[in-house]
Amino acid sequence: EAGVVQSPRYKIIEKKQPVAFWCNPISGHNTLYWYLQNLGQGPELLIRYENEEAVDDSQLPKDRFSAERLKGVDSTLKIQPAELGDSAVYLCASSPTGISTDTQYFGPGTRLTVL
Amino acid sequence: GQQVMQIPQYQHVQEGEDFTTYCNSSTTLSNIQWYKQRPGGHPVFLIQLVKSGEVKKQKRLTFQFGEAKKNSSLHITATQTTDVGTYFCAGGTQGGSEKLVFGKGTKLTVNP
Repeated sequence: EAGVVQSPRYKIIEKKQPVAFWCNPISGHNTLYWYLQNLGQGPELLIRYENEEAVDDSQLPKDRFSAERLKGVDSTLKIQPAELGDSAVYLCASSPTGISTDTQYFGPGTRLTVL
Repeated sequence: GQQVMQIPQYQHVQEGEDFTTYCNSSTTLSNIQWYKQRPGGHPVFLIQLVKSGEVKKQKRLTFQFGEAKKNSSLHITATQTTDVGTYFCAGGTQGGSEKLVFGKGTKLTVNP
């Protein structure tokens, strides 16, 4: 079974530029998560989707961050414009349903460096 | 909001020594999960605890869930170099807002 796929794995951009990350969850998983992981920290939830609906985006900085999950499968997370403080690893995870007892399966992440 | 705290933040041991990391929640949890993240890798699920006072073992790893379901621990007996990584606990809540909140993790390094 293929795991969660993310691309790109690494991205270096200059501040004020836009950037987008893509995630393909495990087939059949209805729930998709985007997490931010700063160095030495745990994953912090940015947004959670149940199928194509964003059910928890309370921690998503909506002035510069946006996300979509068209057709309830793949998802894209966008930052526009990027700031220096956005340098971090962006992790995508998926689970079969959205309940807290589900195991979450993480992708390899996208490491973003903003110069 | 719900907070999950882990201590210590870092732990450095000699191979063969034991290791314990502790996880505490500000609220009562419905479940707790433990993940391991190898250097340069992504979090990988280890185990889930659901019942009050539950103890589970995976080879040299022992996981406990507190009686009040607000704390948990992971104990590794006789560490090996393959145990290197960061161990995260994630506390789950149910009823209304289903979510897992991750702790900041304990980074374990093992000297051979």
